[in-house]
Order: sequence, then structure tokens, then C-alpha cells
Amino acid sequence: NAGVTQTPKFRVLKTGQSMTLLCAQDMNHEYMYWYRQDPGMGLRLIHYSVGEGTTAKGEVPDGYNVSRLKKQNFLLGLESAAPSQTSVYFCASTLQQGLQPQHFGDGTRLSIL
Amino acid sequence: KNQVEQSPQSLIILEGKNCTLQCNYTVSPFSNLRWYKQDTERGPVSLTIMTFSENTKSNGRYTATLDADTKQSSLHITASQLSDSASYICVVSGFGGATNKLIFGTGTLLAVQP
Repeated sequence: NAGVTQTPKFRVLKTGQSMTLLCAQDMNHEYMYWYRQDPGMGLRLIHYSVGEGTTAKGEVPDGYNVSRLKKQNFLLGLESAAPSQTSVYFCASTLQQGLQPQHFGDGTRLSIL
Repeated sequence: KNQVEQSPQSLIILEGKNCTLQCNYTVSPFSNLRWYKQDTERGPVSLTIMTFSENTKSNGRYTATLDADTKQSSLHITASQLSDSASYICVVSGFGGATNKLIFGTGTLLAVQP
């Protein structure tokens, strides 16, 4: 039981390049989330999904797109990377909202030069 | 404005000692409060989740308290171990517990020294 797996773990991009971050969970969770974590700030929600085929904007969605074609996978895309998107990105999942804990992956460390 | 503030920012203690971390919040309406532990270069791991009606919850050597009237929570770590060195994040959920409405604190960085 791997939990939440994120790939890649590290990546360096040049400004204007595109890439996709992959999140996979094997817990049959309905809800999945993408966060970014920056120094001196709490985790901030980028996009989330309440089930297969659905996505919604979070607190800081600009510059990112997401897709949830399969229940177990949640993809985060950067169409044209900017230095302001240098961050650590975390994916999380939970069975349902309310009092269920979120299960986090170990993050993708992304640098945009 | 909904906010979660944690103190201290960082803390150093000796192995075997106890410590208490603080969390103050202004989130309204309030649904629940969570504490997470985040090891270096790892994702956060849930320690406790407390609702309005709970004022204490334990998970091994970790004990969280909640005072919903003063909007304060604390995390007490007993008999600290080197493996307790991590960032501890307080998270508050409003809006009926919706996890897309979680507000994260910036964390307290704890270093346990031998």
C-alpha cells in the first residue's frame, strides 16, 4: 500500500517550458488536492477534485491546470512556467470531507530558472 | 480575515524534555482543528483532528488541546525523542468541515537535540 505517490520528486525548468506533475493514490479516495508550499507561508490550495472527471479552483489557481480522468490519478500542469511558480508541490487525498485526515505525498520540488 | 498563527516559529529542546506548541486562529465559522507533523522533505502526516466539542485528544506522546471560546489550541509533546524533530502544522477547517476550505498555519520547527 503506497498511499499517495508523486512524480517526479525534483525538476528544474526554464521559464516558458511546460510540464505535468503526476499524483497517484491507491486508497480509492474520492477527493484529491494540489497544494504549493512556499517559505514562510502555509500550504495553499491550487486546485482540487471531488471525484473522477471533476475539478475545481482553489485559492491560487492561476497558471495551473488539472485533470482527473481516472479516480486514482490527479495531474497538475504548468503550461508556461514562471519563476514565481518555483515551489514545493504537494498532492493530498481523502476519502470524504469532514473529519477524515488528508493523506499527503512527499512532494515535488520544482525550480523555474 | 481567516488566519492561523503558530508560535514559536522554532524551538530547540533536549531529548527527553517536554514541550508545548501554540496555535491561535480567527477562522469563522469553525468546524475542526488539525495538527500535522512534517518531516524534512516529506509530506505532512496527520496527528489529531478535533471538533468544537472536543477539548483534548491524544496520539501516543502527542496531546492536543482546544479552547474554542478563546480560539486557541496547543500541541504538547511528552518525553521528546530525536525523531520528533520536524515542523508541526496547525490547520483549521471552516465551512462545515469542507477540506477545500482548510487554512494552514506556517508551522513550528522543532529540533530535538541529544
